[in-house]
Amino acid sequence: NFTLTQPHSVSESPGKTITISCTGSSGSIASRYVQWYQQRPGSAPTTIIYDDYRRPSGVPDRFSGSIDSSSNSASLTISGLKTEDEADYYCQSYDNSNWVFGGGTKLTVL
Amino acid sequence: EVQLVESGGGLVQPGRSLRLSCAASGFTFDDYTMIWVRQAPGKGLEWVSSISWNSGTIRYGDSVKGRFTISRDNAKSSLYLQMNNLTPEDTAFYYCVKGGTIAWGQGTLVTVSS
Repeated sequence: NFTLTQPHSVSESPGKTITISCTGSSGSIASRYVQWYQQRPGSAPTTIIYDDYRRPSGVPDRFSGSIDSSSNSASLTISGLKTEDEADYYCQSYDNSNWVFGGGTKLTVL
Repeated sequence: EVQLVESGGGLVQPGRSLRLSCAASGFTFDDYTMIWVRQAPGKGLEWVSSISWNSGTIRYGDSVKGRFTISRDNAKSSLYLQMNNLTPEDTAFYYCVKGGTIAWGQGTLVTVSS
């Protein structure tokens, strides 16, 4: 089964840039679309990246997604960090059309 | 604006059943695959089930296969999840999710406890 691995937590200061990784277990992650979701405490998830790098309308361009085939991983990069970015971030992809989630990464902005 | 409103959650005893509903608006419902995702308190996201636009393709996660049934009514722009033989491990927020440019509902809480 295809699985996605994320770091449990990351932290950075306001104004800085951070990258969260999402590594696929087997098979090419580049052959499947990857989505990223943001979940603030007490709220439902929202989509911040879909189809590897696309942003839904209303998502600031401080958020960007990319794929690195050499490491079989996807990345979410957030630039110009704001305190409001403090949240859990989940990557998601597919395994034979079944959805697969990463375990989530808690971002602390301090 | 896409809106997904879940309902039907609540407290239920182990072994009993519950039916969740999701009312969709703001998009052409029968153009999209719809999905249920759940999240146990303090835990990560777990895919539960997906149903294609015409109900021709239905998939379930291993933890719910044989107990849960997903369905949709395109005429009513509604998605459903029939949950049978519930266990405490099914306690979670259940989110209705639209495929394509993925959108999420606010979730409904299901608590399975005696």
